[in-house]
Amino acid sequence: DAMVIQNPRYQVTQFGKPVTLSCSQTLNHNVMYWYQQKSSQAPKLLFHYYDKDFNNEADTPDNFQSRRPNTSFCFLDIRSPGLGDAAMYLCATSRVTSTDTQYFGPGTRLTVL
Amino acid sequence: GENVEQHPSTLSVQEGDSAVIKCTYSDSASNYFPWYKQELGKRPQLIIDIRSNVGEKKDQRIAVTLNKTAKHFSLHITETQPEDSAVYFCAASIAGTASKLTFGTGTRLQVTL
Repeated sequence: DAMVIQNPRYQVTQFGKPVTLSCSQTLNHNVMYWYQQKSSQAPKLLFHYYDKDFNNEADTPDNFQSRRPNTSFCFLDIRSPGLGDAAMYLCATSRVTSTDTQYFGPGTRLTVL
Repeated sequence: GENVEQHPSTLSVQEGDSAVIKCTYSDSASNYFPWYKQELGKRPQLIIDIRSNVGEKKDQRIAVTLNKTAKHFSLHITETQPEDSAVYFCAASIAGTASKLTFGTGTRLQVTL
């Protein structure tokens, strides 16, 4: 009965090699979010989609991009991963805006070699 | 933008004692305050939330209080158990915007036997 699914759970990539992380949801929620979480820190919002409308955080590096081809799926693309991009990447969904409960996926742990 | 401060950063209590975690926020327009529990290597999970039209909310051993005038809210866990050991994050968001959860820095709770 998984509601927010992330694949893969663990991803290893090489410095500078593009990588794509996947998120899918069975909740039919309007909003999908991508967070970056480094060890012992709070999740940091990278961007979110409200339906097809993309909202980027001001301090999200250009290296990070996202696609949402349909309601159920959202992708995080890291064009040229650096060592500093190693982190847990969390996808979350909510029904309308973030005043509704956000449900998190299990995360993808990215390692950059 | 919103700023959320959370204290303490670590908290150790004996099993059966109570634990209190406090957060303050800066933007008086914030009106939704969730609390997430995150166990090591797992996703943040919502444990309780409160909206600004309510001063207190309780769910079994967990309660949250909100003081809008002082702009602070607190998590109270009574009769703590070892399985309560985790990192707890408070967050705040503002209604009516394509907004985001602003997270506190987290509190690592350790419940000892």
